[in-house]
Amino acid sequence: GQQLNQSPQSMFIQEGEDVSMNCTSSSIFNTWLWYKQDPGEGPVLLIALYKAGELTSNGRLTAQFGITRKDSFLNISASIPSDVGIYFCAGPSGGSNYKLTFGKGTLLTVNP
Amino acid sequence: GAVVSQHPSRVICKSGTSVKIECRSLDFQATTMFWYRQFPKQSLMLMATSNEGSKATYEQGVEKDKFLINHASLTLSTLTVTSAHPEDSSFYICSAISLDNTIYFGEGSWLTVV
Repeated sequence: GQQLNQSPQSMFIQEGEDVSMNCTSSSIFNTWLWYKQDPGEGPVLLIALYKAGELTSNGRLTAQFGITRKDSFLNISASIPSDVGIYFCAGPSGGSNYKLTFGKGTLLTVNP
Repeated sequence: GAVVSQHPSRVICKSGTSVKIECRSLDFQATTMFWYRQFPKQSLMLMATSNEGSKATYEQGVEKDKFLINHASLTLSTLTVTSAHPEDSSFYICSAISLDNTIYFGEGSWLTVV
């Protein structure tokens, strides 16, 4: 099946810093989704990308859908303590737009 | 906004017993729901697709007789872990698809088998 390679696995940053994480795939995705998961909760959608080359922002978050359709990145600017959590990229798989394959996640720690 | 609710949020059961987890779409109808499993410090892995009024379809490697899925109404899917063992301890998360094709995730259910 399709696999998503997400990096870095974890990040430790100071409050106010910018952070970037990315996902790559060996196969083409038609949609890239970025989720955040807080401990013990379900994932919450941050940004959805539907077109190659698309650059979309949601507040301090910016994500881009790579031109090759095999990669995407998520940037967080001016990080704050509540940004702490696990960030996952995800894309549809198995012939369905709704069955999602998830990356392994990036654990973000923000030091005040 | 649309909400997907799971119950229970946490459950502890004895090894060998069965436990049922519910996934409800609270303000929309969902003909399709999905069940994921997430082990500690790992990613979400799709287990099965729950289809209202028909049999669930399972991902490769997921035992359909162990993880029984019932989607008897447009707002409820249940996952029953039968003859649970400690290795079934995990975080189980469902998602539901609304009529406008948006994916909504539940809050997750922690299962601990002792």
